[in-house]
Amino acid sequence: DAKTTQPTSMDCAEGRAANLPCNHSTISGNEYVYWYRQIHSQGPQYIIHGLKNNETNEMASLIITEDRKSSTLILPHATLRDTAVYYCIGNMNYGGSQGNLIFGKGTKLSVKP
Amino acid sequence: EAQVTQNPRYLITVTGKKLTVTCSQNMNHEYMSWYRQDPGLGLRQIYYSMNVEVTDKGDVPEGYKVSRKEKRNFPLILESPSPNQTSLYFCASSLADSYEQYFGPGTRLTVT
Repeated sequence: DAKTTQPTSMDCAEGRAANLPCNHSTISGNEYVYWYRQIHSQGPQYIIHGLKNNETNEMASLIITEDRKSSTLILPHATLRDTAVYYCIGNMNYGGSQGNLIFGKGTKLSVKP
Repeated sequence: EAQVTQNPRYLITVTGKKLTVTCSQNMNHEYMSWYRQDPGLGLRQIYYSMNVEVTDKGDVPEGYKVSRKEKRNFPLILESPSPNQTSLYFCASSLADSYEQYFGPGTRLTVT
């Protein structure tokens, strides 16, 4: 599984876009990039995933560089409830065996009023 | 409501006293797993199960047992808990071909 590097912490003003970077220079061609978040000791919550193309869902957008060595998670209009630790994970998916997600230290995002 | 439930949510016990943490999901998921979370070490997988009667070790299985007799339940058993098993435990589940794992609310275990 790819090693990922994320900033330890970031701040964002409420209502502004939060852009969370992740470096995954060792990612292999069949590894997906997943993003999860954990709000203060609650169970982690899936946000989005992608392989090559940019992805968007109701929570966020994921921008993956063409060389796939880095990606950015975008929360378009951050709210105070988005304050959490955000984890970028590189992982292969073989159906049921995708399950061992390697959570690193993540980025602690603080959304401020 | 689709969810993963864990019981108990908080538990304080003594060294050597066997305990079981239950995990149940109502989404008919094939895949279930247990993680522990410790400060500075992140989440680490303990055991996982691909389906009923199929279980395998994760990264830190020592001192733990699991069973998967029914699809919805995946209990974590500590036969002889020790203080180094004091941790926050999460159960997770997903469909076999899904990219999204659902996590339970966590069980905070303290072993004295």
